[in-house]
Order: sequence, then C-alpha cells, then structure tokens
Amino acid sequence: NAGVTQTPKFQVLKTGQSMTLQCAQDMNHNSMYWYRQDPGMGLRLIYYSASEGTTDKGEVPNGYNVSRLNKREFSLRLESAAPSQTSVYFCASNKPRTGGNTEAFFGQGTRLTVV
Amino acid sequence: AQSVTQPDIHITVSEGASLELRCNYSYGATPYLFWYVQSPGQGLQLLLKYFSGDTLVQGIKGFEAEFKRSQSSFNLRKPSVHWSDAAEYFCAVGFLDTGRRALTFGSGTRLQVQP
Repeated sequence: NAGVTQTPKFQVLKTGQSMTLQCAQDMNHNSMYWYRQDPGMGLRLIYYSASEGTTDKGEVPNGYNVSRLNKREFSLRLESAAPSQTSVYFCASNKPRTGGNTEAFFGQGTRLTVV
Repeated sequence: AQSVTQPDIHITVSEGASLELRCNYSYGATPYLFWYVQSPGQGLQLLLKYFSGDTLVQGIKGFEAEFKRSQSSFNLRKPSVHWSDAAEYFCAVGFLDTGRRALTFGSGTRLQVQP
C-alpha cells in the first residue's frame, strides 16, 4: 500500500520553463489537494479536487493549473515558472466525513527550485 | 475569518522534559482538529485527531492533545520528550464548510531537543 506518491522528488527549473508535478493515491479517496510549504508560512492550499472531474482554487492558485485525470491522479502544472514558486509542494488526499473532512494523507513532497 | 495560529515558532526543551505546543483557532463552531509532525525532508505524519466526544485524545509516539472549546485551543502535549521528537509540528483544522474540505494549517512550531 503506497499511499500518496509524488514525482519528481526534486526539480530545478529556469525562469519561464514549464513542468508538471504528478500525484497518485491508491486509497480510493475522493478528495485530493495540492499545498505549498514555505518557511514560516505553514502549508497553503493551491488547488483542490473534491471528486473526479471537479477542481477548485485554494488560497494561492495564481501561476498554477491542475488536472484531476481520474480518481487516483491529480497533477499540478506550472506553465511559466517564476522564482516565487520555489517551494516544497505536497499532494494530499482524504475521504470526506459527513459534516467535514477526515485527516489528510500526504506524499513525500517535491522540492522545486526556480532559478 | 477562519484561521489557525501556532504562537511559538521555535521551542527548545531538554530530553526528558515535558512539552506543550500551542494551537488556537478562530471559527464560529467546533471544527475538526489535527496535529501533524514533519521530520526534515519528509512528508507530514498524523499524530492525532479530534472530531467529537472526549476532549482529551491520545495519539502515536506518546503524544496527547486536549480540546478546550472555551479557549478555542487544541494544545499538544508529551510528558517526556525524546531526542527523536525533534521535528516541526503543525496544527491543522478542518472547518465545517462544505464548500472547502481542505485542512487549514498553522505556520508550524519547530521543536529542538537538547541532550
């Protein structure tokens, strides 16, 4: 049981380059999320997908796009990378609970540097 | 506005000493509450969670947390800290808003353990 798997683990991009971060979960969860982690700011939500076929913006969506390819996979795309997007990116998933949400399970993260 | 606050950015304790990490939230109802731990270079691991019922919850690795409705707090405690507890700790809150199922995270508390 792999849980949440992210690829790649590390990436260096030049300003203006594009890339896609991949995420897959094998827990049959409906909801999936992309967060970014920056020092002193905790985790901030970029985008989320409550179910297959739906996506919504989080707190910091500018400069990103997402695709919920199927129930298992949720990708994050940077169309034109900027130094401000240097961060650690985490994918997470959870199973909704009536009235709220359950704990989220996290991948190991992607450390992205934009130079 | 809904928010989560971890007032302590950095805490240093001696091995064997007790530990309390603070977490406060701002919300008009009782949310779902979580504590996660992140070791360097790793993803986030769930320590414990509170949905309802007994306000003192037990987690993994000897941690516990107490929900105090009157103080809007969910502080994490451990009676005797081990060197392996050195990590960053995040409080997370699930606000009961069906339009947003993602967890909201505090900015984190980094724990250093002195020998």
